[in-house]
Order: sequence, then structure tokens, then C-alpha cells
Amino acid sequence: SAVISQKPSRDICQRGTSLTIQCQVDSQVTMMFWYRQQPGQSLTLIATANQGSEATYESGFVIDKFPISRPNLTFSTLTVSNMSPEDSSIYLCSVDKGGSAEAFFGQGTRLTVV
Amino acid sequence: AQSVTQLDSHVSVSEGTPVLLRCNYSSSYSPSLFWYVQHPNKGLQLLLKYTSAATLVKGINGFEAEFKKSETSFHLTKPSAHMSDAAEYFCVVREGGGNKLTFGTGTQLKVEL
Repeated sequence: SAVISQKPSRDICQRGTSLTIQCQVDSQVTMMFWYRQQPGQSLTLIATANQGSEATYESGFVIDKFPISRPNLTFSTLTVSNMSPEDSSIYLCSVDKGGSAEAFFGQGTRLTVV
Repeated sequence: AQSVTQLDSHVSVSEGTPVLLRCNYSSSYSPSLFWYVQHPNKGLQLLLKYTSAATLVKGINGFEAEFKKSETSFHLTKPSAHMSDAAEYFCVVREGGGNKLTFGTGTQLKVEL
């Protein structure tokens, strides 16, 4: 199992600013994932962050908007840049070994952009 | 390519009656299938998973699901609903050996007295 701590748990931000979300895992993991859950919607994968390599972004998500850092095997950050109200969502960090393994999720960061 | 369809966006049941949340999947390879629950303002919690062993999978809190390859379904059931079961439920698929999870659109379960 894995315990994931995400900070902040929620924030209200002005449009045009940036917010960095932190994700700390209690054990070393190779793969970390960032998801977005828009209001009333399901989870959509933003990117996969592996330590020692550039993050891999899904279609519709770009590095300039969502830069990701993965400095070590227990930590990652996601930045939401130049925010607009459309970025208001819950952002979730996840760790996962792939295959048949269970994925573990942080509590999420509820972001509201005004 | 993998995909998952949750057939009902909202399900309402009375406490003590059976629960059925429907899920159909599409996968090019032997999939792993999961059901997660999300309570309000809480993180996602795994209910159960199918990984090509027994087709009837038992999970936590009395939930179970049956993998039916011929019907490409993985419906979630519980014999008797409890008020604490009210939450959002997500059916999730991952193609065999892959890394990427694909989430269904979710089913909001409401449990009434």
C-alpha cells in the first residue's frame, strides 16, 4: 500500500496566477500520475511522471500549462499556470505499479479560480 | 484501445435493498478492472479488482462484482444497501500489462430511508 499526502487540500486563486500542488508518498515509487476531476466529471489523466525523465502528457495537456517536477522517488509537484476559471477542478496525485496492481490516490486539491 | 462505460449516472435505492451499478468495458488485451468509491470530500478508495483469476470478485463493505467476458461487463452489486454506501462509484479499466487507467464517468449512488 501507499499513503499519499497532497498539499494544499484546497485553494482559491486569482486568474492569471499559478499554483503548485505537492504530492508526497510514504514509499519509493517509480510511476506517479496526475489527474484532473472537473466538477461533476470523472477523472482524466494529465500526465505520467517518472523520476529521472520528462513527464509524459496526455492529449489536450501541455507542459507549459501544467509543468511537473519529479525530483526523487517519493515526491512530485504539479503547477497549474496562468490559471483561468476553466481550471477550477480537483487535482489528484496517484501512484501505481501498473498491470493488475491497485492505484493509490491522494485526497486531492480542490482549486477554485476566480 | 481501452474504454469503459457506466450505464447509469445516478442510481437511487432504499436502505436494505440490493444495489446494482452497471459497467461495460472495451479492451484489446486481457484487462484489469477496478471499482473505486469516492465519498464526498474524500479520496478514492478501492472496492475490488479483477485480475484474470476468479470471475466473481468480492470486495470491501459487502460489495462484489462479476467479470463476464462474453458480455464485456463488470457490474458491481451489494445485497443490501446501507446509508453509508451513498457515494460516487467509478469503474476503471487497464489493458493487460499497461500503465494507464481509464475511468468511467461515474455513478452517483443515493440511499434513501
